[in-house]
Amino acid sequence: EVQLVESGGGLVQPGGSLRLSCAASGFTFSSYEMNWVRQAPGKGLEWVSYISSSGSTIYYADSVKGRFTISRDNAKNSLYLQMNSLRAEDTAVYYCARCWGLLRYYFDYWGQGTLVTVSS
Amino acid sequence: DIQMTQSPSSLSASVGDRVTITCRASQSISSYLNWYQQKPGKAPKLLIYAASSLQSGVPSRFSGSGSGTDFTLTISSLQPEDFATYYCQQSYSTPVFTFGPGTKVDIK
Repeated sequence: EVQLVESGGGLVQPGGSLRLSCAASGFTFSSYEMNWVRQAPGKGLEWVSYISSSGSTIYYADSVKGRFTISRDNAKNSLYLQMNSLRAEDTAVYYCARCWGLLRYYFDYWGQGTLVTVSS
Repeated sequence: DIQMTQSPSSLSASVGDRVTITCRASQSISSYLNWYQQKPGKAPKLLIYAASSLQSGVPSRFSGSGSGTDFTLTISSLQPEDFATYYCQQSYSTPVFTFGPGTKVDIK
């Protein structure tokens, strides 16, 4: 059974840092591209970042570029999101999502999410 | 950047109703369009990919259609478990993805 389990969320002050983790199991993690998606309280879904299966290709949404860093450790079946210079508007539930599709990509499995609250 | 819009933003319907949700892209995205269902406090769930392909395990009352800029998600006979928020997502600009703002379906 495919499982994605996020951790690392919590309360952080503006300007602070936090590192999210996503532990993957039930599939060959090193073969799949992965993403982070977030959802502010009461709002819609916002794609945050993408990383290729090898980690060599990375993309970010403009809203987090220069502040967030996505990475992965295929030996540990884990995905990470290092978040620096956090702002109040980064408050959200953060989901990791597996990316699949031969040509037309989609997110077929999602974690349960971890809440990040940026507040003083 | 490709922008996605959805209409309506919310709707009220009864069990057994046929429900249609529309998603529009700011430029042609061929059939690079996915639909997700999200219930309160839960992660999104993939329903439809590549505009019209039903994800494994999803009931056949869900269907998708469209190409280019205009897409539709249809629920042929609304069931109690279908009350949720529905999002479209474009993957034409992979690996940069965009979600629509969502359509909330609640009970009339």
